[in-house]
Amino acid sequence: RKEVEQDPGPFNVPEGATVAFNCTYSNSASQSFFWYRQDCRKEPKLLMSVYSSGNEDGRFTAQLNRASQYISLLIRDSKLSDSATYLCVVYTGGFKTIFGAGTRLFVKA
Amino acid sequence: DAGVIQSPRHEVTEMGQEVTLRCKPISGHDYLFWYRQTMMRGLELLIYFNNNVPIDDSGMPEDRFSAKMPNASFSTLKIQPSEPRDSAVYFCASSKTGGAPNEQFFGPGTRLTVL
Repeated sequence: RKEVEQDPGPFNVPEGATVAFNCTYSNSASQSFFWYRQDCRKEPKLLMSVYSSGNEDGRFTAQLNRASQYISLLIRDSKLSDSATYLCVVYTGGFKTIFGAGTRLFVKA
Repeated sequence: DAGVIQSPRHEVTEMGQEVTLRCKPISGHDYLFWYRQTMMRGLELLIYFNNNVPIDDSGMPEDRFSAKMPNASFSTLKIQPSEPRDSAVYFCASSKTGGAPNEQFFGPGTRLTVL
């Protein structure tokens, strides 16, 4: 079993749709979690941090469920510009980072 | 402000040759990370440094790979000898942690092709 798993997709949704991604992790001692976005042939960039209390930034909401060991990302009112690959990141010990394989999202007009 | 700088952006070499990838982190950042990204394996952490000291190199695939950080503004990842399976995009990232994991800023990557 991989330490961090994501549904690779692709998710194909129309503009305006709500879409949700999940990411599961295996190490219960993991402390810090993030979502990154990566556009085609570009470097990953931070989208948002994930806290136990939840985190909302405009149309984006991130949640952490420690009991079930997963994090989620919800995108409301999808835009064409949201088309990208979304990577979850887990810090397993110290500053060692493990990236999920990514979930590809296509938003179509 | 300049972001993380990597060079070269593209490298094509033949099997058996030595390859050196370079990275200049953002000034003031105390952590530096080297990653490799392929379609099959995704983004993998190879090694990371804290204040120029290697902390965890468990992701380095084998002895052919080595990384150094002689000062706070420069790091190298070397592959000697290179093999076709080393073909990938190599990213360098830096972070200003304040003692806790924080945003990592990635460079544009070096696309390596080993023939």
